[in-house]
Amino acid sequence: EAGVAQSPRYKIIEKRQSVAFWCNPISGHATLYWYQQILGQGPKLLIQFQNNGVVDDSQLPKDRFSAERLKGVDSTLKIQPAKLEDSAVYLCASSLVFGRTEAFFGQGTRLTVV
Amino acid sequence: GENVEQHPSTLSVQEGDSAVIKCTYSDSASNYFPWYKQELGKGPQLIIDIRSNVGEKKDQRIAVTLNKTAKHFSLHITETQPEDSAVYFCAASIQTGANNLFFGTGTRLTVIP
Repeated sequence: EAGVAQSPRYKIIEKRQSVAFWCNPISGHATLYWYQQILGQGPKLLIQFQNNGVVDDSQLPKDRFSAERLKGVDSTLKIQPAKLEDSAVYLCASSLVFGRTEAFFGQGTRLTVV
Repeated sequence: GENVEQHPSTLSVQEGDSAVIKCTYSDSASNYFPWYKQELGKGPQLIIDIRSNVGEKKDQRIAVTLNKTAKHFSLHITETQPEDSAVYFCAASIQTGANNLFFGTGTRLTVIP
């Protein structure tokens, strides 16, 4: 079974630039999550989708972050404009059934903002 | 919201010894407690989880215990091996999965051959 795929693996941008990350969850998984992991900390939930609808985006900085899952499969997370404090690993995860089955994480995208 | 504290931040053990990592949580509504192992350059991988209706769960060399009254849970790894070296995260949630998972700050475990 293929795992959660994310791209790119690494990205370096200057502050105030924009960046986008892509995630393809495990086939058939209805729930998709984006987490932010700052160096030395545990992951923090940014947004979660159930199919193509947003379940919770209360911790997403909406002035600069946006995410979509238009067809209920893959998803993109965008930052515009980026700040230095956005440097982190952005992890995508998916689970089969919302609230009832374990989540599987991708390898993440390491973003460095300079 | 939920606050999860994890100790220690680093742990070194000799191969074959046991390792114990402890976490506390603040929200009594939390009832799902997974543990993740994260190797360098990889995403977190679920290694074991426990729900609030269970006090202890074992899977080969790994065990987790939960004390709901005291709001703490622990990960126990016996007969440690070099491949156990990684960062371990505890987490708490009111639901199974990654819904609103609140993670601890991680423990870097080093197993010395």
